[in-house]
Amino acid sequence: AQTVTQSQPEMSVQEAETVTLSCTYDTSESDYYLFWYKQPPSRQMILVIRQEAYKQQNATENRFSVNFQKAAKSFSLKISDSQLGDAAMYFCAYRITHTGTASKLTFGTGTRLQVML
Amino acid sequence: DTEVTQTPKHLVMGMTNKKSLKCEQHMGHRAMYWYKQKAKKPPELMFVYSYEKLSINESVPSRFSPECPNSSLLNLHLHALQPEDSALYLCASSPGLAGGAPKNIQYFGAGTRLSVL
Repeated sequence: AQTVTQSQPEMSVQEAETVTLSCTYDTSESDYYLFWYKQPPSRQMILVIRQEAYKQQNATENRFSVNFQKAAKSFSLKISDSQLGDAAMYFCAYRITHTGTASKLTFGTGTRLQVML
Repeated sequence: DTEVTQTPKHLVMGMTNKKSLKCEQHMGHRAMYWYKQKAKKPPELMFVYSYEKLSINESVPSRFSPECPNSSLLNLHLHALQPEDSALYLCASSPGLAGGAPKNIQYFGAGTRLSVL
């Protein structure tokens, strides 16, 4: 069975600074996707960034980038120039590629990020 | 438009009540999901509908009854719930594989906060 581990229950960062959230996963599959979702107090889960396992290049989306280490099964999220609006719970998630129409996600336990003024 | 709409936002019910949660999307997505999320925990998958047919039931108690009347609408009927069923219930949808596996991303609603007294 696939598992996703986030070892940092809480993190804090100063506004405008950079923070890295860690995620490791365990799978026997070779073809899969990894995601970071953000859940602010408004409760809605918002996709931040995704990585396809067959791509060696790390994904980036504006201030968000990942460090994907496939051999180490590591998928960390770097947030640059942190803003107050980045404060949220961040979930790392995994799914295998070929799951039919529905894509079943496996979530990590989450990291709560606080942004300090 | 990547909106998944859930109603009501909040619901309080007694253990003998019958109520329903509603989820709607107009993105043409062919897979829809119900998740249960307890405080400070990741979402747990309950049900998945694919092309209006139930494709995954994660051994959910029968007091939760899903329904997918059409491709845009997903309901969760609640009956004889227990206080431990109090949680945030999230709905999500994804396009299905028509656009290719990379596009089969789940989009979430803001959830219904359910309290069972």
